[in-house]
Amino acid sequence: GQSLEQPSEVTAVEGAIVQINCTYQTSGFYGLSWYQQHDGGAPTFLSYNALDGLEETGRFSSFLSRSDSYGYLLLQELQMKDSASYFCAVSKTGANNLFFGTGTRLTVIP
Amino acid sequence: DGGITQSPKYLFRKEGQNVTLSCEQNLNHDAMYWYRQDPGQGLRLIYYSQIVNDFQKGDIAEGYSVSREKKESFPLTVTSAQKNPTAFYLCASSSSLTSGGLYNEQFFGPGTRLTVL
Repeated sequence: GQSLEQPSEVTAVEGAIVQINCTYQTSGFYGLSWYQQHDGGAPTFLSYNALDGLEETGRFSSFLSRSDSYGYLLLQELQMKDSASYFCAVSKTGANNLFFGTGTRLTVIP
Repeated sequence: DGGITQSPKYLFRKEGQNVTLSCEQNLNHDAMYWYRQDPGQGLRLIYYSQIVNDFQKGDIAEGYSVSREKKESFPLTVTSAQKNPTAFYLCASSSSLTSGGLYNEQFFGPGTRLTVL
């Protein structure tokens, strides 16, 4: 089987930086992706890492260490609209489907 | 505009009734997926299909059934055998790894919130 662990809740101040960690256990690991979901809405894709290192997309960055089975999502210059749930998900070699973590609820406060 | 539609947005059913949730996509994606999300939880895979006329069970397939007769459509039936069907159901689609993509970003529909009365 597989498992992913991420913190259930994180609170941060507007304008600050926050890091959401994700550790995973799975066989045949291929890559780690991140999705954002606002309350009542559909998840939307944020980023993807297949190789070790940092991927940057605007205010959001994602990091992967395959040897540590660990990744994180970094959100900079936090805005109120970033308040949402963030899910890490693993993809496995040769498979289209994803296995999602239970999500981290981020609350941005003024 | 390309995208995924799900209908209805809210659905109520009585215990013992089967109900079918619709999912349609015009993104020309080969792969489609159904997830269940319970309050404060992640997404759990019910069924997925990588190509027309083929589908596989996900992690929580018991009490559900699907069909994939057309590329654009992947309806999910919640049967009376599903013990606790009240949940938020999300449909997604993606291109297939076999089509040459290195990563299959999944695109989600707006979801159907099913409540069993």
